[in-house]
Amino acid sequence: QVQLVQSGSELKKPGASVKVSCQASGYTITGYAMIWVRQVPGQGLEWMGFINTNTGNPTYAQGFTGRFVFSLDTSVGTAYLQISSLRADDTAVYYCARGGAIVGDYWGQGTLVTVSS
Amino acid sequence: QSALIQPRSVSGSLGQSVTISCSGTSSDVGGTNYVSWYQQHPGKAPKLMIYDVRKRPSGVPDRFSGFKSGNTASLAISGLQAEDDADYYCCSYAGRSIYVFGSGTKVAVL
Repeated sequence: QVQLVQSGSELKKPGASVKVSCQASGYTITGYAMIWVRQVPGQGLEWMGFINTNTGNPTYAQGFTGRFVFSLDTSVGTAYLQISSLRADDTAVYYCARGGAIVGDYWGQGTLVTVSS
Repeated sequence: QSALIQPRSVSGSLGQSVTISCSGTSSDVGGTNYVSWYQQHPGKAPKLMIYDVRKRPSGVPDRFSGFKSGNTASLAISGLQAEDDADYYCCSYAGRSIYVFGSGTKVAVL
C-alpha cells in the first residue's frame, strides 16, 4: 500500500537549518510529484510548492522562495525539504503529499519543526 | 496568492446536512476543475475527500459531495455523523503550477 513516512520532530535554534525527509513506498516515486504543505500551530494549510520527481525541478509558492529547498533522492525513494536561516515563525508542522492527477491523495504523518532559542 | 475564503465554522446536529463554501476568483476556483477538499482531525494529517470538484476517492462515503458555481466551490455533508466533526479545507489550482488552500472551516456536530 502507498505510504509516505516523514522524519521525526526537530528542535532548532534560530539561524540554523533543518532537513525534513519524506520516504515513499508502495509506488514509484518518479511517477508522481511530491507536494509540501505547511501548517503553523492552530492555523490553516499553506501550499508551499512541489518537486517534479522526474526532472527534479522544484516549484515554489509565493512566500516560500529563497530559504526553502525541495530535493529528492530517487535511489532511496525519498523527497526532502530543507529550510535555512530558521526563524521562530517557521515553527510549524510540515507535510509531504503525493501529487499528480489527484492532488494530495496520500499524505505523510507530518513533521513538527520547532524553532526556539 | 491569497487564501480562498471559507466560513470559520458551521454546525449541524447528527443526521442533518451542512454545506461549506469556498470563495475564490476567476483566476483560481472559477477558472479550473482542479478543486479538492480535505478533512483534518486534530493532530492528524489531512485526508482527501473530494477532487476535481465533485469526484470522491475510493472509501469516502457518498454523504460527501462537491460542486461549483462560478467562483465558489462547495462541499456538502449529508446525514452528519460524529466522525465528521473536523476541519475542512478546499484547495484550488491557481495557474502556473501553483495551488492555493482555503482558510479552513470547523464543522461542529452537535
